[in-house]
Amino acid sequence: DIQMTQSPSSLSASVGDRVTITCRTSQSINTYLNWYQQKPGKAPRLLIYAASSLQSGVPSRFSGSGSGTDFTLTISSLQPEDFATYYCQQSYSTPPEYTFGQGTKLEIK
Amino acid sequence: EVQLVESGGGLVKPGGSLRLSCAASGFTFNKGWMSWVRQAPGKGLEWVGRIKSKTDGETTDYAAPAKGRFMISRDDSKNTLYLQLNSLRTEDTAVYYCTLDGIWQLERLSSYYYYHGMDVWGQGTTVTVSS
Repeated sequence: DIQMTQSPSSLSASVGDRVTITCRTSQSINTYLNWYQQKPGKAPRLLIYAASSLQSGVPSRFSGSGSGTDFTLTISSLQPEDFATYYCQQSYSTPPEYTFGQGTKLEIK
Repeated sequence: EVQLVESGGGLVKPGGSLRLSCAASGFTFNKGWMSWVRQAPGKGLEWVGRIKSKTDGETTDYAAPAKGRFMISRDDSKNTLYLQLNSLRTEDTAVYYCTLDGIWQLERLSSYYYYHGMDVWGQGTTVTVSS
């Protein structure tokens, strides 16, 4: 099984800050990595697929990078609506076992 | 507008069964690959399993905790996805989401690859397993 480790588990930041969340996998997954945003009481939303491709409708302040085992999600200038929990997910496994990271909770400082 | 609406959740005793439904609209359901993802109270996301389209064999894949107990099926005539939950345990208590998988073909280093992700999500239905 591919293990996913996100860091940090929680993060406090201010509106306008640049924020980076890291996801590390236990084995190489090429660029088969997705990022999701989830707000309290809501379903998750796909932000980034294939490590760096921005999903339609997602603001350009979100970006993803990385390959192999190390990936990052960057928010260039935090907006009030960005305070949420973020999850990475690998889609590399065959047969599929699409594991998620444990989540990073982004809170207002 | 693409929409997924789950139903069928509720309170069930350990060892019991439940069938969840997901009504789909706004897209060609019979071409969609569909997944179930769950989230235990206060916990993270856990992929449960997936079913491909009939054209792609309607095959199913499951996460280890779901194998042998859960079954995903679809009725394309009703635009509905199902998740049959059997032999339920207290640790199966969660919100269950159905999702429409996105499939993207991208070029990387002069070759094309298919990428998958959970593109559209329903609002979820809550399953509580308790005596």
